[in-house]
Amino acid sequence: DAKTTQPPSMDCAEGRAANLPCNHSTISGNEYVYWYRQIHSQGPQYIIHGLKNNETNEMASLIITEDRKSSTLILPHATLRDTAVYYCIVRDTINAGNMLTFGGGTRLMVKP
Amino acid sequence: GAVVSQHPSWVICKSGTSVKIECRSLDFQATTMFWYRQFPKQSLMLMATSNEGSKATYEQGVEKDKFLINHASLTLSTLTVTSAHPEDSSFYICSARPQGVNYGYTFGSGTRLTVV
Repeated sequence: DAKTTQPPSMDCAEGRAANLPCNHSTISGNEYVYWYRQIHSQGPQYIIHGLKNNETNEMASLIITEDRKSSTLILPHATLRDTAVYYCIVRDTINAGNMLTFGGGTRLMVKP
Repeated sequence: GAVVSQHPSWVICKSGTSVKIECRSLDFQATTMFWYRQFPKQSLMLMATSNEGSKATYEQGVEKDKFLINHASLTLSTLTVTSAHPEDSSFYICSARPQGVNYGYTFGSGTRLTVV
């Protein structure tokens, strides 16, 4: 699976949009981009995933560049409860036999 | 949605004893489950892949005789830390994904193991 690069930490003001970048320059054509987050002392939580097109759900939006070498997770109105480590993961299929490999992630701190 | 239940959420044990951690898929069947370990301020590291009805697959450097995995049914996988030592103290997390569902893996809430 392709390797991802994320900034180790970011701050965001409460109520503002949080934009978390992820570089995956070696991504291949059939690899999806997944985003998870982990709040302190809890298991990771699925946020969103995409292949080519931008995606939006009740939690966030995912913007994938046209060349698919990078993506941005957007939390439109960050709250204090969004403080967590956010992981960007790319993998080649959604086959149930394949595990997720976690990198370092971005520690997002939402401040009042 | 898919729910994975992990028990216990925390456990303290004495050195040399064994501890069993359970991972259950509550509303779906999981032929494959994954066990991760996370040390403080570090990312999740895959330990092993648990396969229903067959032997688990362990990642390099993970001792299979120390971390016993049993996946006897489609909804339950267990991880037993045998002869625990203080260096085994960590956060253990399991994960699974429903078949045919186009969203990501579901994770348990994790088990904080402290060996004293």
